[in-house]
Amino acid sequence: GAVVSQHPSWVICKSGTSVKIECRSLDFQATTMFWYRQFPKQSLMLMATSNEGSKATYEQGVEKDKFLINHASLTLSTLTVTSAHPEDSSFYICSASRQGRHTEAFFGQGTRLTVV
Amino acid sequence: DAKTTQPPSMDCAEGRAANLPCNHSTISGNEYVYWYRQIHSQGPQYIIHGLKNNETNEMASLIITEDRKSSTLILPHATLRDTAVYYCIVRVEWEWGGTSYGKLTFGQGTILTVHP
Repeated sequence: GAVVSQHPSWVICKSGTSVKIECRSLDFQATTMFWYRQFPKQSLMLMATSNEGSKATYEQGVEKDKFLINHASLTLSTLTVTSAHPEDSSFYICSASRQGRHTEAFFGQGTRLTVV
Repeated sequence: DAKTTQPPSMDCAEGRAANLPCNHSTISGNEYVYWYRQIHSQGPQYIIHGLKNNETNEMASLIITEDRKSSTLILPHATLRDTAVYYCIVRVEWEWGGTSYGKLTFGQGTILTVHP
């Protein structure tokens, strides 16, 4: 299957700092990528849809000024958690789909963020 | 997107078939059924998807009832490595420029435990 890579796999940061997470589609171009968050023992929650060359579409309740999404190219989307706090500690996962009809989404391996 | 209902947990003996049910009684005509699984602390892995016909690939088979209100994922010979959370998702898709788009909304899934 196609490969979606996230970096870093895990990060620990101090409260008040910002953290950037990268999501890359390694062998295909992705016009749209999705960002999810997952708390322990819970399901994935969609945060936003990242569109190449345009603004991201955020799900209800997700603060766009806190979770900055940039999709500068067809192979790279970034999520920046600004002014992180301990409650932002979570597992962040991105996904991307190949261009084409009814194609499956491929997920990155996830990024474990711990804010101390 | 249509809501899905899955049993919270299931057990299966190694080497036997695992049959995971999913109800999606409010599915509409343009929604596809997707199955993903997530092994602990990893990103979800695509398994299979279908619209109304039964599908089979190297990982699993997907049986969709004629009225499309339910489906069953079949792992023909479960192994210990198949222990994971299995998500059944219905996804409405739209097309633009020859590419399908649609977000995946995850429910709670079924925790499948394969035991020796």
